[in-house]
Amino acid sequence: NAGVMQNPRHLVRRRGQEARLRCSPMKGHSHVYWYRQLPEEGLKFMVYLQKENIIDESGMPKERFSAEFPKEGPSILRIQQVVRGDSAAYFCASSFSSATEAFFGQGTRLTVV
Amino acid sequence: AQKITQTQPGMFVQEKEAVTLDCTYDTSDPSYGLFWYKQPSSGEMIFLIYQGSYDQQNATEGRYSLNFQKARKSANLVISASQLGDSAMYFCAMREANQAGTALIFGKGTTLSVSS
Repeated sequence: NAGVMQNPRHLVRRRGQEARLRCSPMKGHSHVYWYRQLPEEGLKFMVYLQKENIIDESGMPKERFSAEFPKEGPSILRIQQVVRGDSAAYFCASSFSSATEAFFGQGTRLTVV
Repeated sequence: AQKITQTQPGMFVQEKEAVTLDCTYDTSDPSYGLFWYKQPSSGEMIFLIYQGSYDQQNATEGRYSLNFQKARKSANLVISASQLGDSAMYFCAMREANQAGTALIFGKGTTLSVSS
């Protein structure tokens, strides 16, 4: 039973490029959460999705960031026109329901140069 | 106001000793969950232990136990018989049931260093 899979583990982008981060939840999990961790900080919530629906995007920056969780395939966090301040670790978590514990992937470390 | 407060930026302990990592929380929701995660230097987030606000007993998972004091709004993690492999960052987190997202709110973390 594979855990939450995130890829790539490391991603380097030049300023102005697009970054696409993928997250495959654990089998049977339909709730996906994205978090961002800046250096020396705790994780900050970005967006909560269920299949084909965004439930809560209150933590998402208003511009350049978007997320989706299609009926088939992984959840995608997309960052357009990346800037240096986007450099961070991005974690995906999944849960069976909103009331059960969330399991995290290993994260994607985005570096913008 | 901080929803989750971890006041210890760093803690040091010797192998085989017990250590307590502090966590206080702030919520007006009667239904909530409290979580502890471990983040080793490799970066992954490892779920350790969960305590529900209505649970009568303190949660335990192997060497981990949660000292839940509801009136004081504290949920300290106790690690018994520390091991070198326990050296990591530890995050306390809360989920409030009345929030649509039911997302986790994290503290800033405590770095635990275990020495031999």
